Amino acid sequence: AQSVSQHNHHVILSEAASLELGCNYSYGGTVNLFWYVQYPGQHLQLLLKYFSGDPLVKGIKGFEAEFIKSKFSFNLRKPSVQWSDTAEYFCAAADRGSTLGRLYFGRGTQLTVWP
Amino acid sequence: DARVTQTPRHKVTEMGQEVTMRCQPILGHNTVFWYRQTMMQGLELLAYFRNRAPLDDSGMPKDRFSAEMPDATLATLKIQPSEPRDSAVYFCASGTRTSESVSYNEQFFGPGTRLTVL
Repeated sequence: AQSVSQHNHHVILSEAASLELGCNYSYGGTVNLFWYVQYPGQHLQLLLKYFSGDPLVKGIKGFEAEFIKSKFSFNLRKPSVQWSDTAEYFCAAADRGSTLGRLYFGRGTQLTVWP
Repeated sequence: DARVTQTPRHKVTEMGQEVTMRCQPILGHNTVFWYRQTMMQGLELLAYFRNRAPLDDSGMPKDRFSAEMPDATLATLKIQPSEPRDSAVYFCASGTRTSESVSYNEQFFGPGTRLTVL
């Protein structure tokens, strides 16, 4: 079965600092990759997604992620974080050839940004 | 703006009581997922359906949990009897295949039901 690892459980940054959250997946086939964000007390919302093509994906709110197939990674980045980016971030992967539609989620990374 | 809706948003009940949570997927979506989120376990997949048929419910405690899709616009998750350890936020998500040959797997989440069992 697939698994997704997020190595950072909690990241604390000051505003304007750069962010990189790590995500690795275990599946050797073709994958769809996602980052979801969950603001305090809210539901998960899609931040960005990778299906194919350019491995550098740009999402909402200035976030981007880079798919590196050789490293089985899909790290999330933002050059300058804001206090409003405080949230929990989930990486997810799915077998692109599967018709089941299931996503495998990482445990999440809590990001706290101090003003 | 199409959204997944869930009711109730909050539920407080006593141990032993039956709890029913409802989800209305986005119109046209044929796959529905139920997740449970707790501080200790994170996000867990409980069950999911495609075209109203269960695909996998292995993540769900069978003795007390049941999930159904009576029709394409309604999914239910029921706990009977409820226990304090069931206290969590339960999310429903829906999705669809966007082509016949490839599943893109994108899921859209509802606002969740926050369940507290005393």
